[in-house]
Amino acid sequence: KQEVTQIPAALSVPEGENLVLNCSFTDSAIYNLQWFRQDPGKGLTSLLLIQSSQREQTSGRLNASLDKSSGRSTLYIAASQPGDSATYLCAVGNYKLSFGAGTTVTVRA
Amino acid sequence: NAGVTQTPKFQVLKTGQSMTLQCAQDMNHNSMYWYRQDPGMGLRLIYYSASEGTTDKGEVPNGYNVSRLNKREFSLRLESAAPSQTSVYFCASSEGGGYQPQHFGDGTRLSIL
Repeated sequence: KQEVTQIPAALSVPEGENLVLNCSFTDSAIYNLQWFRQDPGKGLTSLLLIQSSQREQTSGRLNASLDKSSGRSTLYIAASQPGDSATYLCAVGNYKLSFGAGTTVTVRA
Repeated sequence: NAGVTQTPKFQVLKTGQSMTLQCAQDMNHNSMYWYRQDPGMGLRLIYYSASEGTTDKGEVPNGYNVSRLNKREFSLRLESAAPSQTSVYFCASSEGGGYQPQHFGDGTRLSIL
């Protein structure tokens, strides 16, 4: 059974600092890894999807890397802004996604 | 752009009551999913439908049934609600296959007393 872990559970940084969010998974036989953002009381918004054959994906200030051999992914958010405050979740799988519990980020103005 | 629409947004039930959660997507996606989200546990897959006419169990299917009514709609039914089913339920859809991102609705907050 795939286990997905996100540490830390919460993170607070001053505006402008770069964010580094970690995700680890136990089974390296994955189809893809996705990073999502969830705002309070809302659903999930897909940020980046990395296919198993890829090493990283980039979108604007976001960059996600994937290292299947070590079972890790990292989401980097450059020059954080208060609007980046949210919970970030990673998930691995194909149809059957296994989710981590998320990292709640607070960016202080 | 509606995306994935879930109804109702909130519901309170008594133990033993039944209800159906509705989900519809307007993106012409082939695959649809039902998840539940509980504090500290992340999202867990209840059922999914890879394509119209098919449904499969996820990680936590007990106590639930689903119907893929057509390509747009995927409903989740609780036949006899239990307090352990108090949760936030999310519906999602994707184009299909394992390499497409999933798009989520805003959820149904369900409390069972």
